[in-house]
Amino acid sequence: NAGVTQTPKFRVLKTGQSMTLLCAQDMNHEYMYWYRQDPGMGLRLIHYSVGEGTTAKGEVPDGYNVSRLKKQNFLLGLESAAPSQTSVYFCASSYSANTEAFFGQGTRLTVV
Amino acid sequence: AQSVTQLDSHVSVSEGTPVLLRCNYSSSYSPSLFWYVQHPNKGLQLLLKYTSAATLVKGINGFEAEFKKSETSFHLTKPSAHMSDAAEYFCVVSPGTNAGKSTFGDGTTLTVKP
Repeated sequence: NAGVTQTPKFRVLKTGQSMTLLCAQDMNHEYMYWYRQDPGMGLRLIHYSVGEGTTAKGEVPDGYNVSRLKKQNFLLGLESAAPSQTSVYFCASSYSANTEAFFGQGTRLTVV
Repeated sequence: AQSVTQLDSHVSVSEGTPVLLRCNYSSSYSPSLFWYVQHPNKGLQLLLKYTSAATLVKGINGFEAEFKKSETSFHLTKPSAHMSDAAEYFCVVSPGTNAGKSTFGDGTTLTVKP
């Protein structure tokens, strides 16, 4: 059971560089999410998707873009990385809005 | 509007003693409530959830939580702590109708002393 898989697990970027984080789930879930986790702040929702081809903004969407071209994949893009985007990023998926979310292992991103 | 407050940022207990992690919430809806656990360098894992059925919810690894509407609380308990329970715990409130509206608490770090 793979569940939710995130790649890469670690990345160091220079300010201004771009990158894409990939999230893949094999549970046929409609809902997918991208969160960032910063010390003492819990998880904050960046963007989410309620189905293939749909995306919506979360609490902290600025500086990020997402795409859901296939149901099983949810991509998070940083077009021009900034040090404030140094964080641990988690992808999650769920069957519906109020059911259990399954989380990936996280991506630790450092922007220098 | 909704919010969730985890009343303790750190809790320390001795192995074999009870665990109490406190969570208060506010919500304009009848919410769904969740507790997740995060071990170091891992993703979050669901411990238990409340979705308007029984108010006393049993979860994995001996944890349980009681939904108290009058007190707007959803505290997590375990009768006897184990070393493997050391982790960070998150309380989450969701209105249930909008995937983008779940709110996470700031987390409680549980330390278990031998």
